[in-house]
Amino acid sequence: DAGVTQSPTHLIKTRGQHVTLRCSPISGHKSVSWYQQVLGQGPQFIFQYYEKEERGRGNFPDRFSARQFPNYSSELNVNALLLGDSALYLCASSSTGSNQPQHFGDGTRLSIL
Amino acid sequence: AQSVTQLDSQVPVFEEAPVELRCNYSSSVSVYLFWYVQYPNQGLQLLLKYLSGSTLVESINGFEAEFNKSQTSFHLRKPSVHISDTAEYFCAVSLYTGFQKLVFGTGTRLLVSP
Repeated sequence: DAGVTQSPTHLIKTRGQHVTLRCSPISGHKSVSWYQQVLGQGPQFIFQYYEKEERGRGNFPDRFSARQFPNYSSELNVNALLLGDSALYLCASSSTGSNQPQHFGDGTRLSIL
Repeated sequence: AQSVTQLDSQVPVFEEAPVELRCNYSSSVSVYLFWYVQYPNQGLQLLLKYLSGSTLVESINGFEAEFNKSQTSFHLRKPSVHISDTAEYFCAVSLYTGFQKLVFGTGTRLLVSP
């Protein structure tokens, strides 16, 4: 079975631009979460979506937004990019249940020039 | 608020030696605990998890972790490491308040030398 897939793998943008990152969860998983991992740090929670509804949001500005589609895939959008947005963006999916582990994709490496 | 502390940013060790990666957490409620491993230029892979039951959990590749509630710790151990174990290891706690959110430590880089 395919794992969590993310696209693109790498992306280079300039300050002020916007970006859309994509994620396809493991088949059967209805929950998708997004994390930001800055170099040298652990991942930080951005969003969680379940059944197309936002269930939780981390401490990120409104420039960050996301959505989930009927097929449970998800997009993360970031507007007005800043240098500090340079990071590895990780998508994770999980099945229903509070104790179900999250499974991560390989991430999208976003570099802001 | 939940937090996770991984005191060692880097642990160098020789091949076939034992290793322990430390993880301490703080939480006012019951938590689920996880260890993830990250190889260069890759995402996170689930190594093992503690949800309930036996406090000692094992992975298929020889790692084990023990949940110690009194010391709020979840240290990761392996009796004999391989070169291929070189990677970044992250400890994480999960709290469910209508949604599941993972809180990660800052990671420990395990460097295995011949």
